[in-house]
Amino acid sequence: KNEVEQSPQNLTAQEGEFITINCSYSVGISALHWLQQHPGGGIVSLFMLSSGKKKHGRLIATINIQEKHSSLHITASHPRDSAVYICAVRSNTGNQFYFGTGTSLTVIP
Amino acid sequence: NAGVTQTPKFRILKIGQSMTLQCTQDMNHNYMYWYRQDPGMGLKLIYYSVGAGITDKGEVPNGYNVSRSTTEDFPLRLELAAPSQTSVYFCASSYEGITQYFGPGTRLTVL
Repeated sequence: KNEVEQSPQNLTAQEGEFITINCSYSVGISALHWLQQHPGGGIVSLFMLSSGKKKHGRLIATINIQEKHSSLHITASHPRDSAVYICAVRSNTGNQFYFGTGTSLTVIP
Repeated sequence: NAGVTQTPKFRILKIGQSMTLQCTQDMNHNYMYWYRQDPGMGLKLIYYSVGAGITDKGEVPNGYNVSRSTTEDFPLRLELAAPSQTSVYFCASSYEGITQYFGPGTRLTVL
């Protein structure tokens, strides 16, 4: 079993829809990261969370430490949001990072 | 700033050959990482370093070696390439293990 599980694996949405991607983890963490991997392969860090909620433009990330769960929301989705979104956690027992397999998002105009 | 740079972008190796993947960052980050990404799988940590002269194994270190003689450079060495090492390799850096900045990746095929 992977330390980090994401759902759904694939997601297709119409432009303008509200999107939610979920991440659950099984290890103790010091921080959780959301990353975006573009179709060309480049990876960009979107958020780092250790508690609560963060917002950047149309992106919102939340974390519930007790439930070991995080969500990434995209409001008013746009075709340029099409990418793979990856959840990653940093273990609180060292410097190890564990990654989910990613959620592939396609936003249709 | 160039950020994190990796060379080469692509490489094809024969079984048993050796090569070094180069990674350089110009952000004065103390932490550096090497990951591999296999199709349909999450990124896996190969090795990491928390500063010059200090390296440690990640989740999948077998078949690889690293060194960190300077803050800027963190090369990854494959000694005897095997088909199982066909993957995309990403280098990343961060300050104190916080936000990671990724390089563009190296696509390696071992035939």
